[in-house]
Amino acid sequence: GENVEQHPSTLSVQEGDSAVIKCTYSDSASNYFPWYKQELGKRPQLIIDIRSNVGEKKDQRIAVTLNKTAKHFSLHITETQPEDSAVYFCAASSYQKVTFGIGTKLQVIP
Amino acid sequence: GAGVSQSPSNKVTEKGKDVELRCDPISGHTALYWYRQSLGQGLEFLIYFQGNSAPDKSGLPSDRFSAERTGGSVSTLTIQRTQQEDSAVYLCASSLQTYGYTFGSGTRLTVV
Repeated sequence: GENVEQHPSTLSVQEGDSAVIKCTYSDSASNYFPWYKQELGKRPQLIIDIRSNVGEKKDQRIAVTLNKTAKHFSLHITETQPEDSAVYFCAASSYQKVTFGIGTKLQVIP
Repeated sequence: GAGVSQSPSNKVTEKGKDVELRCDPISGHTALYWYRQSLGQGLEFLIYFQGNSAPDKSGLPSDRFSAERTGGSVSTLTIQRTQQEDSAVYLCASSLQTYGYTFGSGTRLTVV
């Protein structure tokens, strides 16, 4: 089955700096890669996703890159703000089964 | 409804009792997933339903856990003879085809 590894597990950045979270996956059949943000005590919310026919996608301060050859994808948050503090989960979907990474706790220091 | 609805939002039960957790997916969503999230931990896959296909139960941690989905819509996750280690937030998500998973608010289960 699919195995998704995510790192770092925790990340602290100064407000205004960039944050990068990286994930790798094992199943070459995976074709959909969503990213979720989970604030304390709340449900995970989809923030951005990318399909395997695209190498990069951007939405305002958030961007995701995908390298199918290397089987890794990354989340980039620029100009971080305190409200970006949360746990971020990457995921890989193969045949509609979604496997999540372990999560990255991002802390943005004002 | 507009989103994925889960009930109850909180459940406290005594060790050894059975519990049922309910998930109402977004109307028309063919895929439904159950995940478990222990305090400060990641999302642990439990079970996946897709249309009329046989569910993928590979994530269920023991035979005390079972789930069903009636009429391709509402799903119930049942935990029999609950143990303290079952305490967690149980999250349901649904999607249309492969994309756009939406999570419910979860059921926080506490076994005392």
